[in-house]
Amino acid sequence: GENVEQHPSTLSVQEGDSAVIKCTYSDSASNYFPWYKQELGKRPQLIIDIRSNVGEKKDQRIAVTLNKTAKHFSLHITETQPEDSAVYFCAASSKLYSSASKIIFGSGTRLSIRP
Amino acid sequence: EAGVAQSPRYKIIEKRQSVAFWCNPISGHATLYWYQQILGQGPKLLIQFQNNGVVDDSQLPKDRFSAERLKGVDSTLKIQPAKLEDSAVYLCASSLKGDNEQFFGPGTRLTVL
Repeated sequence: GENVEQHPSTLSVQEGDSAVIKCTYSDSASNYFPWYKQELGKRPQLIIDIRSNVGEKKDQRIAVTLNKTAKHFSLHITETQPEDSAVYFCAASSKLYSSASKIIFGSGTRLSIRP
Repeated sequence: EAGVAQSPRYKIIEKRQSVAFWCNPISGHATLYWYQQILGQGPKLLIQFQNNGVVDDSQLPKDRFSAERLKGVDSTLKIQPAKLEDSAVYLCASSLKGDNEQFFGPGTRLTVL
């Protein structure tokens, strides 16, 4: 079935450095790729998303790149801050039928920012 | 706008007992999801509704789990009977449609003893 793989599972970076999380997906028809941030004990919240008609999207310190040919996409966080510490999930859409899609989540990356 | 509401927030039961969770999505959102999130893992989709119809329940353990979305608004998820491995956070989410931003509720933390 459809699958989304995410790496690394844990990532520790020095405050101010950049963090990169990578995901691959299996469904070549996927066209929507959201990223969610989940702080400890809280609900997942969307931080950025990208659709397949663009290759890159940026929002302040966060950017996402998409390579549809290789079926992989990445999250880039620059100038990391302590509040960036959380678990990050990538996800990819998967078509169910003509008018319905579902979202498949990766297994998550626990990002820790060292002061 | 009001967010996705879920109740209860916490539930502790013994194995073989029954439990039910309730979700009220954001007004106007046609798509409603139930996810199971086991500690340290990503959310796993159990069932997805489009209005009051099921569009995907391929990962729902139908021998013990059931869900409904009467009138295409609120939804309930039931487990009967519960097993130890059902201990998890059950997240409800809603979106305008299937490939749009999902808004998650606070979740129900279930502990099965």
